[in-house]
Amino acid sequence: GNSVTQMEGPVTLSEEAFLTINCTYTATGYPSLFWYVQYPGEGLQLLLKATKADDKGSNKGFEATYRKETTSFHLEKGSVQVSDSAVYFCALSEKGSTLGRLYFGRGTQLTVWP
Amino acid sequence: ETGVTQTPRHLVMGMTNKKSLKCEQHLGHNAMYWYKQSAKKPLELMFVYNFKEQTENNSVPSRFSPECPNSSHLFLHLHTLQPEDSALYLCASSQDHEQFFGPGTRLTVL
Repeated sequence: GNSVTQMEGPVTLSEEAFLTINCTYTATGYPSLFWYVQYPGEGLQLLLKATKADDKGSNKGFEATYRKETTSFHLEKGSVQVSDSAVYFCALSEKGSTLGRLYFGRGTQLTVWP
Repeated sequence: ETGVTQTPRHLVMGMTNKKSLKCEQHLGHNAMYWYKQSAKKPLELMFVYNFKEQTENNSVPSRFSPECPNSSHLFLHLHTLQPEDSALYLCASSQDHEQFFGPGTRLTVL
């Protein structure tokens, strides 16, 4: 079956620190991989995505590389800001399915202090 | 602006009330979803609609009743809810494999 495992939070960092949030997946096929972000009081927003092995998704200084050999899609940012405080969700979608059904991880709360 | 709107944004209801949540998408997508997000629990997929047809119902209690009159609108009708149904209810739509979420309705059941 399909599933996503991401590191438990909360993660607390000082501004300008380096961020890594680990995500690994199990999939029956060759999925597309996503990171979504949820700011307080809001819905989920797509942060970045990768659709095939070795692709790197990037947005707003965040990056994640689709690693088929380790079934991972870790989220990184070199220098976090207070405004990055949010909950981050890793997700996968099976290619070939007629729907864009997403399988989500449990989410990781990130808090950045000034 | 994600193109997916939800109303109301906040709702407080008693256990004997009947209310409805509304979701509207302006993206031309064919699939729409209801999710439940509770504190300390993973995001739960409740219902999936594809071209107005319900294709997935993940063992959701019958006190939640979805309706999809067309590809742009999705409703969640609520009746005789329980306090444990208090949560953020998120709507999403998709065309391929990228989902776009609304801001959610924060529901409190007293």
